Amino acid sequence: QQQVKQSPQSLIVQKGGISIINCAYENTAFDYFPWYQQFPGKGPALLIAIRPDVSEKKEGRFTISFNKSAKQFSLHIMDSQPGDSATYFCAASIFGTASKLTFGTGTRLQVTL
Amino acid sequence: GAVVSQHPSWVICKSGTSVKIECRSLDFQATTMFWYRQFPKQSLMLMATSNEGSKATYEQGVEKDKFLINHASLTLSTLTVTSAHPEDSSFYICSARTFGRGGGGSYGYTFGSGTRLTVV
Repeated sequence: QQQVKQSPQSLIVQKGGISIINCAYENTAFDYFPWYQQFPGKGPALLIAIRPDVSEKKEGRFTISFNKSAKQFSLHIMDSQPGDSATYFCAASIFGTASKLTFGTGTRLQVTL
Repeated sequence: GAVVSQHPSWVICKSGTSVKIECRSLDFQATTMFWYRQFPKQSLMLMATSNEGSKATYEQGVEKDKFLINHASLTLSTLTVTSAHPEDSSFYICSARTFGRGGGGSYGYTFGSGTRLTVV
């Protein structure tokens, strides 16, 4: 199975709050788990990515938590700002010459004042 | 960092005409390029994978003769929507696989800025 399930579909968070988006995967061969941020009319931009050999990775206000046994990973956005309002996609892939990204369904985040 | 330049950013064409979308890797060689289609409020749907110098591999359900992909060089891949119809109106995005400088199998994906195609 190549599916990656993402939740919630939409999320409203107050400014300064924590935004949490979750993803679950089925294929244990996945070895690369990125999160992308997409603004309307733009291509996705890489936020942060993790490999399965670590359980957490932090870059600024963005943190990925990875649970290999549960086959789940999540994105935490600390101190959420209105400028973070966008659609977020999780994804997964298998390293190899023909590797391709399998995307989650996306989460529309709105950060209110 | 790796940059993929995609043009045009938007295009309007008449039904029955063909439209070409270009993606260029500006500071690296893209041996593999991916083409996606995205409908409003939906996720990215992979259309095809192209490797430099060989035929593209299309995902199930994608019409090869309608969506022509050419990856003739390590820095340029093109998607041509032939005989476009209103149902082909969508947001098309390319992506290239990049490899980390540290080696060891590290890699990632860089996306173009997308092309909004409207067929009237």
